[in-house]
Amino acid sequence: DQQVKQNSPSLSVQEGRISILNCDYTNSMFDYFLWYKKYPAEGPTFLISISSIKDKNEDGRFTVFLNKSAKHLSLHIVPSQPGDSAVYFCAGHLTGNQFYFGTGTSLTVIP
Amino acid sequence: DTAVSQTPKYLVTQMGNDKSIKCEQNLGHDTMYWYKQDSKKFLKIMFSYNNKELIINETVPNRFSPKSPDKAHLNLHINSLELGDSAVYFCASSQDMILGSGNTIYFGEGSWLTVV
Repeated sequence: DQQVKQNSPSLSVQEGRISILNCDYTNSMFDYFLWYKKYPAEGPTFLISISSIKDKNEDGRFTVFLNKSAKHLSLHIVPSQPGDSAVYFCAGHLTGNQFYFGTGTSLTVIP
Repeated sequence: DTAVSQTPKYLVTQMGNDKSIKCEQNLGHDTMYWYKQDSKKFLKIMFSYNNKELIINETVPNRFSPKSPDKAHLNLHINSLELGDSAVYFCASSQDMILGSGNTIYFGEGSWLTVV
């Protein structure tokens, strides 16, 4: 049973525009959510996180929004750059350090 | 210097063999993990060790056995390899068991295991 879902396997965006990556979850016990970025042949690297008690966290061009009532979070990248092209994983964290990852969304930023 | 390093990066082996994947972190972290990325790209946790002690052991066949000789190392040993074991295995580490501000999980680059 997948507790974290990313229903869009891929997304293409023009350079300079906004990229919005979406993530849905089923477990209301997640206390933290994370986004990871993965380039081909590399391991996933941490990008940004948000506590379940917040609804927004911003770090430079990256902003994550959390809608707990809808069990939905999204990652906004503004402006999108070609170097942002990668696979983005959303993950939920449970107490006890259990991480549940989505299947990823492949973002392509077109120059 | 690579923070979390895994060896080998690529491994092709025959069914029935026993193999190990080694992992080392130089971040001074207390907690280390093994994740498996299957063909659907789902990163699923297999094991978690904190200060050399097994904390999380998900439903994984007994053929998989983690070994942590010290805090900086968590090796994954797999006995009697099967075709279905083919996947990318990621080692990871975090400061401790509690994820907080500035405390996140760092991944290695993955080990591509192919069983033929």
